[in-house]
Amino acid sequence: DADVTQTPRNRITKTGKRIMLECSQTKGHDRMYWYRQDPGLGLRLIYYSFDVKDINKGEISDGYSVSRQAQAKFSLSLESAIPNQTALYFCATSDLLRGFETQYFGPGTRLLVL
Amino acid sequence: EDKVVQSPLSLVVHEGDTVTLNCSYEVTNFRSLLWYKQEKKAPTFLFMLTSSGIEKKSGRLSSILDKKELFSILNITATQTGDSAIYLCAVDLAGAGSYQLTFGKGTKLSVIP
Repeated sequence: DADVTQTPRNRITKTGKRIMLECSQTKGHDRMYWYRQDPGLGLRLIYYSFDVKDINKGEISDGYSVSRQAQAKFSLSLESAIPNQTALYFCATSDLLRGFETQYFGPGTRLLVL
Repeated sequence: EDKVVQSPLSLVVHEGDTVTLNCSYEVTNFRSLLWYKQEKKAPTFLFMLTSSGIEKKSGRLSSILDKKELFSILNITATQTGDSAIYLCAVDLAGAGSYQLTFGKGTKLSVIP
């Protein structure tokens, strides 16, 4: 079984709809992240969480919210989806390997907002 | 503002060629630099380079870090079609209680038979 899973893997929705992307991990990591990837723009950080009670905004948090329900679960919500939120979304977890950050990515969710 | 720049953005080579991918960074409080390979979907971890580990090698892939000149290269020898992917460079920024990766835009490598 994959260590980091994301659901759904693909989603089509309409402008104005609320949607939630979910991430679960079995790696036992405290740190979890949400990124989006757009062609030509690379990976950009949306939100991150260092433990269950810790939530931090990343580079592009506007229009998104997150919930850290448990150490293993971190969900991303789009309250009112808009077309420019069409992208590939990745969840990642990390540990501190001898004090250095290494991130492990889920398989991604491809989101299309019409 | 911290910045990570990869070059070239895309590259097409023939099987058997050797390629060099570049990553330069302008960051404060550098901690480490990571290389990832992204094929169809999720990026997968390749190497981490730090002040105490400036050269890494795994099979046909190798990477070095030049902390003085602020860049890293990823070298792939005897390329195969399976090496076709986007290669991402990321820098770990040291800050008080902060561990985040700043990613470059990636280099798309296409290896043709």
